[in-house]
Amino acid sequence: AQSVTQLDSQVPVFEEAPVELRCNYSSSVSVYLFWYVQYPNQGLQLLLKYLSGSTLVKGINGFEAEFNKSQTSFHLRKPSVHISDTAEYFCAVSENRDDKIIFGKGTRLHILP
Amino acid sequence: ETGVTQSPTHLIKTRGQQVTLRCSSQSGHNTVSWYQQALGQGPQFIFQYYREEENGRGNFPPRFSGLQFPNYSSELNVNALELDDSALYLCASTSGRLMNTEAFFGQGTRLTVV
Repeated sequence: AQSVTQLDSQVPVFEEAPVELRCNYSSSVSVYLFWYVQYPNQGLQLLLKYLSGSTLVKGINGFEAEFNKSQTSFHLRKPSVHISDTAEYFCAVSENRDDKIIFGKGTRLHILP
Repeated sequence: ETGVTQSPTHLIKTRGQQVTLRCSSQSGHNTVSWYQQALGQGPQFIFQYYREEENGRGNFPPRFSGLQFPNYSSELNVNALELDDSALYLCASTSGRLMNTEAFFGQGTRLTVV
């Protein structure tokens, strides 16, 4: 069965500093990988997704993620964060045989002034 | 595009009651999925509807049921509410397979069971 582990429940980072949010997944078949962001009292918004091809995926708001098949990881990065990036970030996986999305528990990104 | 809209935004119910949550999918989208997000947790897949038929289900008991209508809007029904059903319920719509499209989420319905 597929699963997603987000290694940090909270990540504090100073404004304009770089950040990495870690995600590992497990699945016995090929998968699609996603990062979603959830702002307070909002639904989920897709940041980026990996389907196939280049392992470095660029998304919205300056975020990017790298797919590492050997380490079954899909870490999210941003070179310089802003106060507006304060939100909950969810890593997710979907096996390519169905469209059920399995989410991790989320990482809360705290931007410190 | 009108986006995915859910109603109501907030709801308080008593244990044992029944509840119906509604979702209007984005224009042109024929697939709707429902998720339950408990406080401090990631969303959990409840089920998916494609062209009015259930097309996959997560680990939720039968008292969680759904419908999809010819206009692709959807309902989530929960019978015999339990305190643990308190959560944010999210609806997502797509126009096809995830490999070709993006799932758009509504803002959710916050259900509190007392």
